[in-house]
Amino acid sequence: KAGVTQTPRYLIKTRGQQVTLSCSPISGHRSVSWYQQTPGQGLQFLFEYFSETQRNKGNFPGRFSGRQFSNSRSEMNVSTLELGDSALYLCASSARQGGSPLHFGNGTRLTVT
Amino acid sequence: GQSLEQPSEVTAVEGAIVQINCTYQTSGFYGLSWYQQHDGGAPTFLSYNALDGLEETGRFSSFLSRSDSYGYLLLQELQMKDSASYFCAVRAAGGFKTIFGAGTRLFVKA
Repeated sequence: KAGVTQTPRYLIKTRGQQVTLSCSPISGHRSVSWYQQTPGQGLQFLFEYFSETQRNKGNFPGRFSGRQFSNSRSEMNVSTLELGDSALYLCASSARQGGSPLHFGNGTRLTVT
Repeated sequence: GQSLEQPSEVTAVEGAIVQINCTYQTSGFYGLSWYQQHDGGAPTFLSYNALDGLEETGRFSSFLSRSDSYGYLLLQELQMKDSASYFCAVRAAGGFKTIFGAGTRLFVKA
């Protein structure tokens, strides 16, 4: 069974631009969660999607948004990029809503210059 | 608010035993998990405790005390490959999101 796939692996953007990250969950998994990881901050919860609906949201500004498609694939969008948005963005899928364990992808490394 | 606290760094010798503690404060509690992340890699699931007590999986064990809002991960017979970051995580808020601690960096010395 293929794991969680995130594309692209690396991205370099400039301030003010927007970016879209993609996540394909493990086949059969309907829950997708997104996390931001920065050095020393651990994994900060962004949001969780289940059956195309956002079920929970973390404490991030409205510039961070996402969606989930009928095939459970998910995208995350960040608009008006700021330098502080530079981070590793991780996607995780699970079989049940909010379930354990979470299966993580290798992440997208976003650098904002 | 919701928070998890764990030591930022632990150093141990190859072959030894190390314990990584985690205390949490959350609105609602649905279980404590542990994840391992090597540099440049993705976090991988190690263990999950929903009830009080000890769960053992090979060289790794995890303990939970819900009355103390406390848990720990125990790594035995340490190997160099165990050098990594370890995160405790709590399912909270109706069980619909998983909150992670800042992580404990484990250094295993020869």
